[in-house]
Amino acid sequence: AAGVIQSPRHLIKEKRETATLKCYPIPRHDTVYWYQQGPGQDPQFLISFYEKMQSDKGSIPDRFSAQQFSDYHSELNMSSLELGDSALYFCASSQRGLDKNIQYFGAGTRLSVL
Amino acid sequence: DAKTTQPNSMESNEEEPVHLPCNHSTISGTDYIHWYRQLPSQGPEYVIHGLTSNVNNRMASLAIAEDRKSSTLILHRATLRDAAVYYCIPLVVSGGSNYKLTFGKGTLLTVNP
Repeated sequence: AAGVIQSPRHLIKEKRETATLKCYPIPRHDTVYWYQQGPGQDPQFLISFYEKMQSDKGSIPDRFSAQQFSDYHSELNMSSLELGDSALYFCASSQRGLDKNIQYFGAGTRLSVL
Repeated sequence: DAKTTQPNSMESNEEEPVHLPCNHSTISGTDYIHWYRQLPSQGPEYVIHGLTSNVNNRMASLAIAEDRKSSTLILHRATLRDAAVYYCIPLVVSGGSNYKLTFGKGTLLTVNP
């Protein structure tokens, strides 16, 4: 079965650079979520989209932005990168109303800011 | 958001049952109780969910207290592959029916061969 695809799997950036993370949800899933997991920490919700509209927002820095496109894939754009942005970034997708919105996670993108 | 309390860690032997407890005394009447787990170096993975009744699926069983203030995830026969951090998450439906997951500290399960 198709799973959530994230790219790239690993990304190394310098401070103050920008990064773009991509997420391809499971086919027919209409909702995408982004989570950040710092070293030794638990995943924290950043932002979500339902049918290409932002549906909820967590502790996402103003330097980050995200969107969901017409094909339902989503991109997380991160600017003016800081050392503290080094983390695993997970994308998850779900289909609203199906199985109480079980979320399926991708393998994550590991971002290292040097 | 409802607060959850889970043991920091638990240990089990392979082939033995494991009972992972979770307290969620502030859960609202409409919140489902979801369990996810995260294996090392992987994304979180859905395990099971329930509202009031006990639930079974191919991965685990979920026993929910009658007052819904606690629940227990049961792995009937632990395998080495079950070693992971287990998260108990009341699923809060905020305005607009959003379903973000709020991860707490979770329980690190170690399975001994």
